[in-house]
Amino acid sequence: QSALTQPPSASGSPGQSVTISCTGTSSDVGGYNHVSWYQQHPGKAPKLMLYEVSKRPSGVPDRFSGSKSGNTASLTVSGLQAEDEADYYCNSYAGGGSLYVFGTGTKVTVL
Amino acid sequence: EVQLVESGGGLVQPGGSLRLSCAASGFTFSTCWMGWVRQDPGKGLQWVANINPDGSQTYYVDSVKGRFTISRDNAKNSLYLQMSSLRAEDTAMYYCIQWLNTAVDVWGRGTTVTVSS
Repeated sequence: QSALTQPPSASGSPGQSVTISCTGTSSDVGGYNHVSWYQQHPGKAPKLMLYEVSKRPSGVPDRFSGSKSGNTASLTVSGLQAEDEADYYCNSYAGGGSLYVFGTGTKVTVL
Repeated sequence: EVQLVESGGGLVQPGGSLRLSCAASGFTFSTCWMGWVRQDPGKGLQWVANINPDGSQTYYVDSVKGRFTISRDNAKNSLYLQMSSLRAEDTAMYYCIQWLNTAVDVWGRGTTVTVSS
């Protein structure tokens, strides 16, 4: 099972928006609406930011939004803030014997 | 407070074995899908294994099939990962995770496994 493809880096100035893509196949991202996104600050465990493509857990700001088209899911962070600087990973259900696959990760820098 | 606390990591020689444990608290452990995710130093996340609430179903990433075994003891609110025939590429931080539907809702702080001679 190959990792989902994310851009290595993305950046934006405070207040701007940044969008991160997550590209898989029809066997994972394209086949299910079970895409989730995680934020990881250095030295910390990841934190769930979105699940089922676009749903936000309690406590996650509505500046974080998600979408999916075909085999590509996207995470958009609007109104960038300094604390949004972190690594972001997507994850998708893939079915079969190996259930889940993560993305390669994207480092978001707030300029 | 929902909490997952891993233990059992350490330095092991190639070909060796190690058993990771995860103590869960603050939620009804016996009703939750659980699993393990690992992260290479300075690199990305990789899903390793999942187990269903009663322990009757287990799933593994291809690279650990036949070498790793995930198990649980609901009476002790504990999750385990028995790792054998360890390789250098198994070196990583191992996170205990709780699944909610198809997303990881809770992460432990991780335990480090280093496979080296």
